[in-house]
Amino acid sequence: GALVYQYPRRTICKSGTSMRMECQAVGFQATSVAWYRQSPQKTFELIALSTVNSAIKYEQNFTQEKFPISHPNLSFSSMTVLNAYLEDRGLYLCGASWGGDTQYFGPGTRLLVL
Amino acid sequence: GEKVEQHESTLSVREGDSAVINCTYTDTASSYFPWYKQEAGKSLHFVIDIRSNVDRKQSQRLIVLLDKKAKRFSLHITATQPEDSAIYFCAAGDNNAGAKLTFGGGTRLTVRP
Repeated sequence: GALVYQYPRRTICKSGTSMRMECQAVGFQATSVAWYRQSPQKTFELIALSTVNSAIKYEQNFTQEKFPISHPNLSFSSMTVLNAYLEDRGLYLCGASWGGDTQYFGPGTRLLVL
Repeated sequence: GEKVEQHESTLSVREGDSAVINCTYTDTASSYFPWYKQEAGKSLHFVIDIRSNVDRKQSQRLIVLLDKKAKRFSLHITATQPEDSAIYFCAAGDNNAGAKLTFGGGTRLTVRP
């Protein structure tokens, strides 16, 4: 079956530092990978969508300069949170899908910023 | 852009009763409507979805209804069980945009024994 792994599951970083999170799709080819953030007590906000053979599209309020994403092949994507501050804390989810079909989510990377 | 509203932020039902969660969306281009479940401290687990070419879909105890005219869709959980307790999120997407989903605010469902 389709599985999505994320690493690390939980991380703590100092304010102003950066951290990288990874997403791996197993059992299917992730032609699209979407990164979302769930801030405390909120819903899921799309950060950016990466589709094979297309430029990565960032949503309003999110930029490549702050959240650079790499999607080098059909099974792997990574995103870095640069200069993390308190408002960046939350659960970061990677959603992977094939051909725009059902999106499967990884367990998430929970980011705490001190 | 698309906005998805989930009308019930909390819902409490007795075990065995049905639970209904309602969502509305704004973008007529949306054609794909999945539902996800989030248990405490965990990620999103896919529950069921419906596409705009049908107005009803059932999978065991789950029924999804879609009213394109009203831009409204709903999740019906029949014969609820305590393990159905979780936060349920509706979402809307446009397949032409790949896998971009806009989520509702979530409904915390509690099934009382």
